[in-house]
Amino acid sequence: AQSVTQLGSHVSVSEGALVLLRCNYSSSVPPYLFWYVQYPNQGLQLLLKYTSAATLVKGINGFEAEFKKSETSFHLTKPSAHMSDAAEYFCAVSDRWVGANNLFFGTGTRLTVIP
Amino acid sequence: SQTIHQWPATLVQPVGSPLSLECTVEGTSNPNLYWYRQAAGRGLQLLFYSVGIGQISSEVPQNLSASRPQDRQFILSSKKLLLSDSGFYLCAWSVPLQTGMNTEAFFGQGTRLTVV
Repeated sequence: AQSVTQLGSHVSVSEGALVLLRCNYSSSVPPYLFWYVQYPNQGLQLLLKYTSAATLVKGINGFEAEFKKSETSFHLTKPSAHMSDAAEYFCAVSDRWVGANNLFFGTGTRLTVIP
Repeated sequence: SQTIHQWPATLVQPVGSPLSLECTVEGTSNPNLYWYRQAAGRGLQLLFYSVGIGQISSEVPQNLSASRPQDRQFILSSKKLLLSDSGFYLCAWSVPLQTGMNTEAFFGQGTRLTVV
């Protein structure tokens, strides 16, 4: 079975500081991994995804994540936070071998950017 | 391009009333379809998924049901709402694995349901 753990339900950073949102996964097969962002009262938007190609994945809005198999991690980073980055972020893992590719989501991390 | 429509955006319903939320996808065929619920302060919970017309899998026992009467239409229903059914409901679709294409899910804008 697949699962993800997001460490820290709330993260606060100053504007211009490094953003680091942590995600660890559990999967019995090679996973697909995703980061989504959700702004208030909106759906989820895909930031980036890992699908067994390059381990360093670049996404939209300056975010990137690195797949580390040895650490079973897929942490999301951004060098310099912007006020518009304030949102909730979800890490998700997919089992690519089942007929319906269910996505298993973490509980989310709310990012606050302090001016 | 593919789009997903979900409505209504907000809904306030009394306890014991019925529910029908609708989701439609355009620009793709035979998608996998999903209903998620997001309760306040919690993550996303997969409620139902469907790999084809009339094929529904339920992930958790609950007061809700889902139906897929057409290829790109997914409906979430309840005969009698409970207070605990309040939450943010999200419909999503993805491309089936067999095509070998990307597997990420694309989400609708959500429905905020408040049961009073």
